Amino acid sequence: AQSVTQLDSQVPVFEEAPVELRCNYSSSVSVYLFWYVQYPNQGLQLLLKYLSGSTLVESINGFEAEFNKSQTSFHLRKPSVHISDTAEYFCAVSPIGGGYNKLIFGAGTRLAVHP
Amino acid sequence: GAGVSQSPSNKVTEKGKDVELRCDPISGHTALYWYRQSLGQGLEFLIYFQGNSAPDKSGLPSDRFSAERTGGSVSTLTIQRTQQEDSAVYLCASSSGSPQETQYFGPGTRLLVL
Repeated sequence: AQSVTQLDSQVPVFEEAPVELRCNYSSSVSVYLFWYVQYPNQGLQLLLKYLSGSTLVESINGFEAEFNKSQTSFHLRKPSVHISDTAEYFCAVSPIGGGYNKLIFGAGTRLAVHP
Repeated sequence: GAGVSQSPSNKVTEKGKDVELRCDPISGHTALYWYRQSLGQGLEFLIYFQGNSAPDKSGLPSDRFSAERTGGSVSTLTIQRTQQEDSAVYLCASSSGSPQETQYFGPGTRLLVL
């Protein structure tokens, strides 16, 4: 079985400050890793994913996440946040080998960017 | 269509009534998933369809929940004899079928059971 822990339920930060949203997972098998974002009154959107290869993955809007197998972590970072980054962020894993993507989500982290 | 659509967007029902939630996936997507987002349980997987068959129903919380998919396209999630704990946002997602492909989520159906 798999589980995902997002340690911070809420992260307040000032605009242009750096931010890190933490994600740790537990799994007996190898997994794919994902970050999804849910903007206010919008649906879930994929932010970035790790499937294989380079452990550092980036999104088009400046976020990055690094897969650390030894620490079973996939923390999300951004060096300088904008007001528009205010949203809820969900870390998810999917076990490899099942032939499909059964996403197991963390509880989410609400990022609030203040001016 | 351009994205995954779900209907209705909101549904209020009385305890004990049956409800049907509909999902229209992205055209051509063979894989379809249902998830539930609730305050107490977070985001939970419910069921996975590949074509019209459902090889993984492991997330359905009780036998009051069922789902079907017809024509490899539209899917309906049915909840019988609704209970207050069924109140949640029900999300549908679709993908092209490969495990490495992105799941695209619909806007969800917000269900409130009174």
